[in-house]
Parts: sequence; structure tokens; C-alpha cells
Amino acid sequence: EAEVAQSPRYKITEKSQAVAFWCDPISGHATLYWYRQILGQGPELLVQFQDESVVDDSQLPKDRFSAERLKGVDSTLKIQPAELGDSAMYLCASSPYPQGPMSSYNEQFFGPGTRLTVL
Amino acid sequence: GIQVEQSPPDLILQEGANSTLRCNFSDSVNNLQWFHQNPWGQLINLFYIPSGTKQNGRLSATTVATERYSLLYISSSQTTDSGVYFCAVERRGNFNKFYFGSGTKLNVKP
Repeated sequence: EAEVAQSPRYKITEKSQAVAFWCDPISGHATLYWYRQILGQGPELLVQFQDESVVDDSQLPKDRFSAERLKGVDSTLKIQPAELGDSAMYLCASSPYPQGPMSSYNEQFFGPGTRLTVL
Repeated sequence: GIQVEQSPPDLILQEGANSTLRCNFSDSVNNLQWFHQNPWGQLINLFYIPSGTKQNGRLSATTVATERYSLLYISSSQTTDSGVYFCAVERRGNFNKFYFGSGTKLNVKP
């Protein structure tokens, strides 16, 4: 069964260091999402790609966060420098939109996530 | 954005009991999904249900889009049902962007 892959699963870093997360979506999925989930809350969208283009990064703290999806397949999310408040779960999801069986089909599938701890 | 409210925030059940989780949303939606977040943090798809009713084993869901709510039913609950249940909606006319509720934390006791 096709799955979204993420690595690493866990990351511990010190503040001011750089960290990077990787995501490989389900094959053929055009849309890729990065979410951040703080303990006790629902996921919040950081950035959304359609193929290699960013379609929404309004909630991405651009002074320290960057994301890319160069060939429209896998993606990397980077934080530099990391801060204590960045400790959270970082989730990647993909969906077939706009290439699904119907024009409005947009079911998301999530990877296992990367749990980041900043010390 | 769109407001998504889930209730109750916390729920404790005895194994074998039934429950209903609710998701209210503030605007018309294209799509709605229910997820179960397991203890390791992964979001597991339960239902993709922009409207109507679906059933999968002991779980079923109903979305009444015109009244802006969705319900998730869990029957004969098991300890493995424990975790956090999230509702996520995609606002009509704003394809692709999903908004999550804050979840219902379910604890099923043996």
C-alpha cells in the first residue's frame, strides 16, 4: 500500500542549530503539505505545494523556515536557526488534487511525522 | 479562514460503550475528513466524507453539509480506539487548504 514517507522520525537539536526534514509523498500525488502540530492542538498548515510551486506559505515563519520541492516529488523543510518554541511534531501529507478521479477530490494522506525537540 | 470546533474535548469510556463525536464548521466546505491520531503521532484516515453517511466496521460518520456539522460514531469501543480524533475541512472555493479542529481525546478503559 502506498504511503507517505518522512525522515527522521525523531530529532533532538540545540537552539540556534539548523535542522532539516524530508518527505516523500505517495507516487503521483501533485499536492504536498507540511504541517506543524504543537502538543494538545490540531495540525496547522505551514506550506503547501502543487507540483514544484508553492501555493500557500502564509503561515510559514520565513525568517527561519524554508521549504522546497524542486522536482515536484519529494520535499525538504528546513529550520535555521532552531528556537525552543519550534519543538513540535512536523507532519507531511499528500493528496492527488488536482489529478484525482473528480475535480473536487482532495483526500489527504499523512506520513508518520518528525518529532522535533529543541534544547 | 474557517472555524472548526470539535466536541467534547475529552471523553472517557468503558470498553464496549458507544460514543458520538461532533465537528461543527463555520462555512460551506468542499471536503471533510476524520482522522485518528495514534499514540505515536501518526494521523490515520478514517473517513473522507464531504456529505452523506459512511460506515467502516464499528465506525460510521455522517456529514450534513447544509447544517455545517459532521458526526463520528464509535460503537462497541475497544482500548485500541484510544487516541485523538480530528476533523479537517476544506472550505468551499478554497481548494486544497484544510483547517483542523482541536480534536477529541478519547480514553477507552478496559
